[in-house]
Amino acid sequence: GAGVSQSPSNKVTEKGKDVELRCDPISGHTALYWYRQSLGQGLEFLIYFQGNSAPDKSGLPSDRFSAERTGGSVSTLTIQRTQQEDSAVYLCASSLARAGGIYEQYFGPGTRLTVT
Amino acid sequence: AQSVTQLGSHVSVSEGALVLLRCNYSSSVPPYLFWYVQYPNQGLQLLLKYTSAATLVKGINGFEAEFKKSETSFHLTKPSAHMSDAAEYFCAVSDRSAGNMLTFGGGTRLMVKP
Repeated sequence: GAGVSQSPSNKVTEKGKDVELRCDPISGHTALYWYRQSLGQGLEFLIYFQGNSAPDKSGLPSDRFSAERTGGSVSTLTIQRTQQEDSAVYLCASSLARAGGIYEQYFGPGTRLTVT
Repeated sequence: AQSVTQLGSHVSVSEGALVLLRCNYSSSVPPYLFWYVQYPNQGLQLLLKYTSAATLVKGINGFEAEFKKSETSFHLTKPSAHMSDAAEYFCAVSDRSAGNMLTFGGGTRLMVKP
């Protein structure tokens, strides 16, 4: 079946512009995660959605970052007023279940964001 | 709080040689531990996971890892390296809390020489 898909695969934007990154999780997966992979910080958690519960935003680096998940499926990560330090690969992952389980997180190919 | 340390950001082995990638973790609760592999321009793929069952875990592509609580380690091994194993490898620990979010190590890039 289809895996996690992300779009666009590459995004180049000018400093100060807003960007939206999209994630389509595996159908039926109730949990969705965003991670960021950058040279300076490695792989770091950003935000987590589970079903209709309020998202866990504890990993978002600043209030310029926000995310939503519509209808329990597609998610959009928005970065406002982009800065050069936002340049990174943004990875989305989804999994079947929530806490206490050991369900595998399936990762998408990522969106490479470059802020010039 | 939890953390993961991977010793050696780059490891080079000859084809056919033993692969050993080191991972040490810190966790206040019994951990779930994972190894992921990332090929160029691709997402992360799960190699194997430790979930408090058997301490020796076998994964895909001939990889295995052993959980050693006394050493807080979860090193990844493969008896014989293949050229196709060249990739970046990440060790991760799950917080086992409400979100099961992963905390990753810094990654180890494995190079395989012919």
